[in-house]
Amino acid sequence: EAGVAQSPRYKIIEKRQSVAFWCNPISGHATLYWYQQILGQGPKLLIQFQNNGVVDDSQLPKDRFSAERLKGVDSTLKIQPAKLEDSAVYLCASSLDRGGNTEAFFGQGTRLTVV
Amino acid sequence: KQEVTQIPAALSVPEGENLVLNCSFTDSAIYNLQWFRQDPGKGLTSLLLIQSSQREQTSGRLNASLDKSSGRSTLYIAASQPGDSATYLCAVRNTGNQFYFGTGTSLTVIP
Repeated sequence: EAGVAQSPRYKIIEKRQSVAFWCNPISGHATLYWYQQILGQGPKLLIQFQNNGVVDDSQLPKDRFSAERLKGVDSTLKIQPAKLEDSAVYLCASSLDRGGNTEAFFGQGTRLTVV
Repeated sequence: KQEVTQIPAALSVPEGENLVLNCSFTDSAIYNLQWFRQDPGKGLTSLLLIQSSQREQTSGRLNASLDKSSGRSTLYIAASQPGDSATYLCAVRNTGNQFYFGTGTSLTVIP
């Protein structure tokens, strides 16, 4: 079974530029999460999708961050414009959430450096 | 809002020792708790998942326990090896379907 795929693995941009990350969850997984992990901290939930609907985006800085999950499968997370404090690893995760199976699986993450 | 705390923040042990990592959470209305391992520069690898109705789960040298009423979970690692060196994170899933992470315990096993 293929895992959660994310791209790119690394990205360096200048502040005020825009950037987009892509995530392909495990096939059939209904729930998709985007997390931000700043160095030395635990992951912080940015947005959670159930199929193609948003369940929780309360911690998403909506003035600069946006995310979509078209057709309830792949998802993209965009930052526009980026700030220095956005430097972090962006993790995507998915879970089946059917039949009591709620285990979450994570991708390798995208390491963003804003200079 | 759920708060998840992990103690200690860092731990260094000699190879072969048994060790315990702690995770506490403030809201006992959880759906499940999951322990993850994170290697430097990598994503999270799921180790064990405990449903709210369970008391413990075991996988190889790992044993995770859950005491929902007191808001605590422990991860026990038996006979530690240098390859166990990583950051260990616990995450609590509440009944509203949100996941909350602790800040992790950085483990170093010295050969």
